[in-house]
Amino acid sequence: DGGITQSPKYLFRKEGQNVTLSCEQNLNHDAMYWYRQDPGQGLRLIYYSQIVNDFQKGDIAEGYSVSREKKESFPLTVTSAQKNPTAFYLCASSIDRSGNTIYFGEGSWLTVV
Amino acid sequence: SQKIEQNSEALNIQEGKTATLTCNYTNYSPAYLQWYRQDPGRGPVFLLLIRENEKEKRKERLKVTFDTTLKQSLFHITASQPADSATYLCALDAGGFKTIFGAGTRLFVKA
Repeated sequence: DGGITQSPKYLFRKEGQNVTLSCEQNLNHDAMYWYRQDPGQGLRLIYYSQIVNDFQKGDIAEGYSVSREKKESFPLTVTSAQKNPTAFYLCASSIDRSGNTIYFGEGSWLTVV
Repeated sequence: SQKIEQNSEALNIQEGKTATLTCNYTNYSPAYLQWYRQDPGRGPVFLLLIRENEKEKRKERLKVTFDTTLKQSLFHITASQPADSATYLCALDAGGFKTIFGAGTRLFVKA
């Protein structure tokens, strides 16, 4: 089935540690996104990518990094510079930048211990 | 400042009634607006998209209206069922390849 696969579903990070969340899509979509969701708040855009080898900062990019070496993959690294990383992270994709439907993965829960 | 607002209070309704959720926005001029459903611990799922030149859109028991003068969208679920219980997110085109999401409204449908 076509879709977006995020892994792991649950991840624990120690203080000062970098962690990477995986996101793979087989929808042949050009655009990919990372959102962060906190309780009672809307989804906030961390990074987005329109094509391979190109990505742009969203509204809350500080403390995060991404790469887009393949069309199918858009991993997110939560660095130690992100002071409040505990949240629900959602990877998404869309056909292109024209505002079509956004398809989401099942999300990854990151907790700092 | 730019804002997109949905009622933060949960909406409780009886099965069979119509649920109406509201999305208001300020300082945006979106070309389209979307509604998504999100179940606990899951990613949002697309439901409907309505463009600025459309007043109303329907899909099965769902209906969305879009009033660009009032800067408001209404999302209706008719003949609601307990399975419709979820959080519903409004999202709009913020320009420059960005989609902005509201915080969502939690809907509970009682049998």
